[in-house]
Amino acid sequence: QKEVEQNSGPLSVPEGAIASLNCTYSDRGSQSFFWYRQYSGKSPELIMFIYSNGDKEDGRFTAQLNKASQYVSLLIRDSQPSDSATYLCAVTGAGSYQLTFGKGTKLSVIP
Amino acid sequence: SQTIHQWPATLVQPVGSPLSLECTVEGTSNPNLYWYRQAAGRGLQLLFYSVGIGQISSEVPQNLSASRPQDRQFILSSKKLLLSDSGFYLCAWSTSGGNQPQHFGDGTRLSIL
Repeated sequence: QKEVEQNSGPLSVPEGAIASLNCTYSDRGSQSFFWYRQYSGKSPELIMFIYSNGDKEDGRFTAQLNKASQYVSLLIRDSQPSDSATYLCAVTGAGSYQLTFGKGTKLSVIP
Repeated sequence: SQTIHQWPATLVQPVGSPLSLECTVEGTSNPNLYWYRQAAGRGLQLLFYSVGIGQISSEVPQNLSASRPQDRQFILSSKKLLLSDSGFYLCAWSTSGGNQPQHFGDGTRLSIL
């Protein structure tokens, strides 16, 4: 059974710091990796996706993928209180329509 | 740009009553469509997905069903709701093909009494 694991948190960081969110996955054939942000009571919002090993940057966000270690991470630079949310990691297999989600890491940015 | 509409936003239903949740997508053709449920304290669970009109794949056996009567319309139904059907129901779309990012609607919060 495909699994995606995340530390549930809460992860607390001071405003302006770098927040590092981690995710591991069990299916070595996984090909696409996504990060969603979910504010309390709201639906998930896609913030990053990555398909290849290495880093992908978009503004304050950097996604990092290491397929050999089955590990994907999200770095948030210059964290703001508005970044406080639950971050969901999601993974798909080759040609798959199905996203397997982790249970999410709750991030709290302290002013 | 593409938009996804989902309604109602909240719903309170008695046990044993029927259910119909609707989702529509604008600004794209032949999308993949998905229904998820997020129960309190649990992760997102894929319920159904569809790659075309009339094509439904079920991921979890249960008393729910889905239909896709039009290209950009996806409906989640039940004939008789159970207490365990409570949760946050989310519709999502992606472009056709596998491994595509999925984009979620605002969701329906369903409470069963």
